[in-house]
Amino acid sequence: GNSVTQMEGPVTLSEEAFLTINCTYTATGYPSLFWYVQYPGEGLQLLLKATKADDKGSNKGFEATYRKETTSFHLEKGSVQVSDSAVYFCALSNAGNMLTFGGGTRLMVKP
Amino acid sequence: NAGVTQTPKFQVLKTGQSMTLQCAQDMNHEYMSWYRQDPGMGLRLIHYSVGAGITDQGEVPNGYNVSRSTTEDFPLRLLSAAPSQTSVYFCASRGTSYNNEQFFGPGTRLTVL
Repeated sequence: GNSVTQMEGPVTLSEEAFLTINCTYTATGYPSLFWYVQYPGEGLQLLLKATKADDKGSNKGFEATYRKETTSFHLEKGSVQVSDSAVYFCALSNAGNMLTFGGGTRLMVKP
Repeated sequence: NAGVTQTPKFQVLKTGQSMTLQCAQDMNHEYMSWYRQDPGMGLRLIHYSVGAGITDQGEVPNGYNVSRSTTEDFPLRLLSAAPSQTSVYFCASRGTSYNNEQFFGPGTRLTVL
């Protein structure tokens, strides 16, 4: 079956630091990969996605590259802000199925 | 568009009580789903629907019922609430392509005493 593994948090960074949140997956075929973000007290919002190998998704300064050879989709940002503090979820969708989520990684950015 | 709406936002139940969590979307999406969110476990799929009149079980369906009589609405029913169902519940919808964005409601925080 499908599964997604994320690094456990919380991740605590100072403002303007570099961010990496690791995500690896297990799936048959060619899944689409997603990063969702959840701000405090809110639902999930799509941050970025990639639908095939070597695609790079990007949004709001965040990037992630679909690496089929390492089954990874790591999230990166060059300079985080306090407003990026949230929980980040890696997810995949495979052949019409619903999303399979990782456990989430809480990011805390200190001024 | 209101997107995906959920009611209520908060609910406290006693063990054995029943209730329905409401979910509606105005984007004419065929796919709708219910997830529960528990600390450290991400979101787990409870039930989903690929269109009116069609529902199926997800990863954790026990203790929950769903129906889909219209494209817009997808209620989740707890027939006899248990403390293990204390969680935050999210409804979501998307178009028919599997790489379409999934839109989430704001969630319902349920506590079962």
